[in-house]
Amino acid sequence: DIQLTQSPSSLSASVGDRVTITCQASHHISNFLNWYRQKPGGVPKLLIYGVSNLETGVPSRFSGHGSGTNFSFTISGLQPEDFATYFCQQYDRLPLTFGGGTKLEVK
Amino acid sequence: EVQLLDSGGGLIHPGGSMRLSCAASGFTFRSHAMNWVRQVPGKGLEWVSSIVASGGRTFYADSVKGRFAISRDNSQNTVYLQMNTLRLDDTAIYYCTRGRYGDPKSEFDYWGQGTLVSVSS
Repeated sequence: DIQLTQSPSSLSASVGDRVTITCQASHHISNFLNWYRQKPGGVPKLLIYGVSNLETGVPSRFSGHGSGTNFSFTISGLQPEDFATYFCQQYDRLPLTFGGGTKLEVK
Repeated sequence: EVQLLDSGGGLIHPGGSMRLSCAASGFTFRSHAMNWVRQVPGKGLEWVSSIVASGGRTFYADSVKGRFAISRDNSQNTVYLQMNTLRLDDTAIYYCTRGRYGDPKSEFDYWGQGTLVSVSS
C-alpha cells in the first residue's frame, strides 16, 4: 500500500498568512495526488486534483506542486474559512489512501 | 445540482449487518465510479470500497474485504454498501463519494453528508 505522510500534523497561523503543507508518498505516484479541505463538523471538499489543478470554483489562493513522491499544498493569504483540516490523497493505485491530515488553527 | 444522500446508519451490535444507501441526483449516474470512504469522528479518512461505473468491478480495503459488499443500481441512481459481521472498529461516519470518471482511480469530486455507523455492545 502507498503510505502518505503529511506534515505538519497541526499548524497555527493568522488571517492573511501564507502556509504550506507537505505530503510525502512511500512510492512514486506520478501526478495522481489530490487535496481536500474539511471544515469543523463538515464534509471533505476537493480543492486540488492531479497535484496542481484547481477544482472549479475554488479560489486561486490555493495551489499545489510536486511530482513523484514529494508534494506540497499552499494557501496564499489565509481566510477565516480556511481554518480547517486538510488531507492529501493518492489515486495512483489501489488501495486509495489518504494522508493523516493537517489541522490548521488560528494563532 | 449534484446531490448524494447517504442513509442507513445507526447503532448495531458487533456481528450484526447493516446496509447503507446513497441516492444520487443531478448527474449521469451510470458514467461515474462510486465509492465509500469512512472517518472515525475526529480522525482521518479511510477509503473503504469502490465500484466502477458499469457495476462490473468492485474493490475493497483489506480491512473490510469478505465482510462488506458494494453494489449499484444504475436504474435507480443508487449505490449500496452491505456491511456484514460488523466489528467495533467499523464505527465511523460513512461517506458516499462520486469519482470524477468511470474508474475508481480518480478524484472524489462530490461527497454525501455522511451517515454514522456505531457498532457497540
